[in-house]
Amino acid sequence: SQKIEQNSEALNIQEGKTATLTCNYTNYSPAYLQWYRQDPGRGPVFLLLIRENEKEKRKERLKVTFDTTLKQSLFHITASQPADSATYLCALADSNYQLIWGAGTKLIIKP
Amino acid sequence: SAVISQKPSRDICQRGTSLTIQCQVDSQVTMMFWYRQQPGQSLTLIATANQGSEATYESGFVIDKFPISRPNLTFSTLTVSNMSPEDSSIYLCSVAGGGEQYFGPGTRLTVT
Repeated sequence: SQKIEQNSEALNIQEGKTATLTCNYTNYSPAYLQWYRQDPGRGPVFLLLIRENEKEKRKERLKVTFDTTLKQSLFHITASQPADSATYLCALADSNYQLIWGAGTKLIIKP
Repeated sequence: SAVISQKPSRDICQRGTSLTIQCQVDSQVTMMFWYRQQPGQSLTLIATANQGSEATYESGFVIDKFPISRPNLTFSTLTVSNMSPEDSSIYLCSVAGGGEQYFGPGTRLTVT
């Protein structure tokens, strides 16, 4: 079955630098992959969706890449700010378009 | 987009009792999803609730333990029955739209 791996260790980044989070999957390439942000005590909030035929997607300071050869997606936040501190979840769609979720990576942006 | 509210936001319950969680959406939707999120773990889909039909449960989840109601296109409930400490978790309801999912704020359940 499909497995998703996100770094379970918190990522500490200095304010102003680029934060890069990794999402690896093990089996077939999904139809699309999504990134969500989750703050403590809240549900996940959708950020970006990238399809299997897309290499890169951008939204303001956010950039997502999708490498089907490496079976990996990278999520970048440029010019990071303390307000970007949160847990970021990766989710991919299986063959039935049902989402399979990673456990998330906690990002801490230090002023 | 969709705005989703859940009640209660948190509760502490004794083992052996049941808790019903309510989910209200601000627009009509065909499918509603119920997830469980345990600390440090990924979201796990419990079931999909369609209006007018029985909910579809994922492997490892059964109707007797997690009965779901879906009386109309904007509302659903999830009951956690005969609770044990292992049921302590955050329960989230969700709807899908345009390939993305929208989530409620979650219900934090602690079973003692």
